Amino acid sequence: DIQMTQSPSSLSASVGDRVTITCRTSQSISKYLNWYQQKVGKPPRILIYGTSSLQSGVPARFSGSGFGTDFTLTISSLQPEDFATYYCQQSYNTPFTFGPGTKVDIK
Amino acid sequence: LLVESGGGLAHPGGSLRLSCAASGFTFSNYEMNWVRQSPGRGLEWVSSISQSSSTIYYAESVKGRFTISRDNAENSLWLQMNSLRDEDTAIYYCARTTYNWNSWLDPWGQGTLVTVSS
Repeated sequence: DIQMTQSPSSLSASVGDRVTITCRTSQSISKYLNWYQQKVGKPPRILIYGTSSLQSGVPARFSGSGFGTDFTLTISSLQPEDFATYYCQQSYNTPFTFGPGTKVDIK
Repeated sequence: LLVESGGGLAHPGGSLRLSCAASGFTFSNYEMNWVRQSPGRGLEWVSSISQSSSTIYYAESVKGRFTISRDNAENSLWLQMNSLRDEDTAIYYCARTTYNWNSWLDPWGQGTLVTVSS
């Protein structure tokens, strides 16, 4: 199975801050990397698929980049509704594994 | 829209059957999945089933104990869970596989809670 790591595991930030979350995989997955946002009591919601493609309806302040084993999710200017937990997930092969999550909370 | 049901309390060694009712899209055109989430194990993909049920995958942690199935005429997905263990305690989500050149899970249901405890 492909192992996923994320850093940091949590971070505190203020509204307007630029936030960067990193995801690393145990083997190369090309661009087969997705990002989800999950708020408390809700299911995960797709934000970015294929490393950098923004899901319809997701604000443009979210962006993704990377290739191979190293990937990044960036929120250019954090908004109050962005406080949540973010997960990466590889879709390169089965089983589709998820990262452990990065919790973004208010400083 | 995906709506799960069937969760609840089960004893170790017991069984539960989860259901997922789909609406708002052509169910028979999509691969479907079960994903679970627990505080100790995070998000864990459990199983997937292809459009015609011809291809099925399971996570190693549930292989031989869980069975995924679907009925395209009823727009329904199921997960039969047998020989339940404490570590199967989790919220279980059904989720659709969406394809472009890549694949991702969207949408997700609201989830159903399974608690395994004596």
